[in-house]
Amino acid sequence: KNQVEQSPQSLIILEGKNCTLQCNYTVSPFSNLRWYKQDTGRGPVSLTIMTFSENTKSNGRYTATLDADTKQSSLHITASQLSDSASYICVVSAGGGGADGLTFGKGTHLIIQP
Amino acid sequence: EPEVTQTPSHQVTQMGQEVILRCVPISNHLYFYWYRQILGQKVEFLVSFYNNEISEKSEIFDDQFSVERPDGSNFTLKIRSTKLEDSAMYFCASSETDNRNSPLHFGNGTRLTVT
Repeated sequence: KNQVEQSPQSLIILEGKNCTLQCNYTVSPFSNLRWYKQDTGRGPVSLTIMTFSENTKSNGRYTATLDADTKQSSLHITASQLSDSASYICVVSAGGGGADGLTFGKGTHLIIQP
Repeated sequence: EPEVTQTPSHQVTQMGQEVILRCVPISNHLYFYWYRQILGQKVEFLVSFYNNEISEKSEIFDDQFSVERPDGSNFTLKIRSTKLEDSAMYFCASSETDNRNSPLHFGNGTRLTVT
């Protein structure tokens, strides 16, 4: 069964600090891995999409890594800001891609404190 | 930047009633989706829609649910005979293409509360 596990479940850090969120997956066949940011009460917003051949991708202060051999991904946030407080969801696409084969993680709830 | 819009933002209904959730996808997108997220749980796929027909649906999407694209802009989810356990956030999403690198654009959701 395809699964996506994220850790930690929740994280509190001080503004300006860096943090790394983890995602482990057992999805086959692998197509791509996505990170989304979900503010409270809002829809998820795409941060990055990585295919099998990509092992790192950046979007501003967000950097995602992918190790397809160990089936792990991380999302690193640099110089955190209060607006980074949100849930970060790892989503893995199986087979031919597209929304039909997406497996969602439960997310990491990140709180940035001033 | 174009966005997916959903109405209403919050819907309260009594058990057994029918509700229609509305979505306007991004105008040049061809693929449309509905997801739900029960409070505190992960996002779950309901249905995908392309070329005026359902292309994929999950086990959740049973006969209680239906989708429709009544005109060139709206995409609706109808839930018949609502149950308490249907209470959740319902997200509409759209994408330009259905390929491995196409990002999903989500709306801000409709919070459905069944009492």
